[in-house]
Amino acid sequence: AQKVTQAQTEISVVEKEDVTLDCVYETRDTTYYLFWYKQPPSGELVFLIRRNSFDEQNEISGRYSWNFQKSTSSFNFTITASQVVDSAVYFCALTNQAGTALIFGKGTTLSVSS
Amino acid sequence: NAGVTQTPKFQVLKTGQSMTLQCAQDMNHEYMSWYRQDPGMGLRLIHYSVGAGITDQGEVPNGYNVSRSTTEDFPLRLLSAAPSQTSVYFCASSYGQALPNTGELFFGEGSRLTVL
Repeated sequence: AQKVTQAQTEISVVEKEDVTLDCVYETRDTTYYLFWYKQPPSGELVFLIRRNSFDEQNEISGRYSWNFQKSTSSFNFTITASQVVDSAVYFCALTNQAGTALIFGKGTTLSVSS
Repeated sequence: NAGVTQTPKFQVLKTGQSMTLQCAQDMNHEYMSWYRQDPGMGLRLIHYSVGAGITDQGEVPNGYNVSRSTTEDFPLRLLSAAPSQTSVYFCASSYGQALPNTGELFFGEGSRLTVL
């Protein structure tokens, strides 16, 4: 069965600190997609990134970077020089075998204080 | 371009009442789905549809019905509301019929439902 584990329930940092959100997944599929979504306090879900299983290249987008390692089944998300606006719940997700749904982790709540 | 529109945003029901959460998208997306979000549980799939006239169950379908008579609309019906259905509900859509081919899910803003 497919599963996404975000072991960190809550993380608190001070502005300008770097923070890494962990995501470990389980799947028997050879082709799959991984996602990260952000849910700010306003409640909407904001797409951050999609990565397919054949592309292990790390990605950087501004202060955000993602490290995908198939060997450890991990897709970790790092925020560099965190800001108060980064405070949100972050979800990691994995496509199910049929490609008809995303399987979400339980989320990590990030609080960034000034 | 409105994207994915959910109504109502807030609703309070009494146990046993029925209601329909509306979801409409104007992006001509084939795939639509309903998720519920509960504290500490992440998002769980209730039902999904890969096109008009086609629906299927997700992880937590009990107590909910859906239909897809048009590409644009995907309503979620609660037949007899129970306190366990108190949750935040999200409708989401995507291009194509299978997520690996289509990329991201576009989410509505959510509907907060309380069942007393």
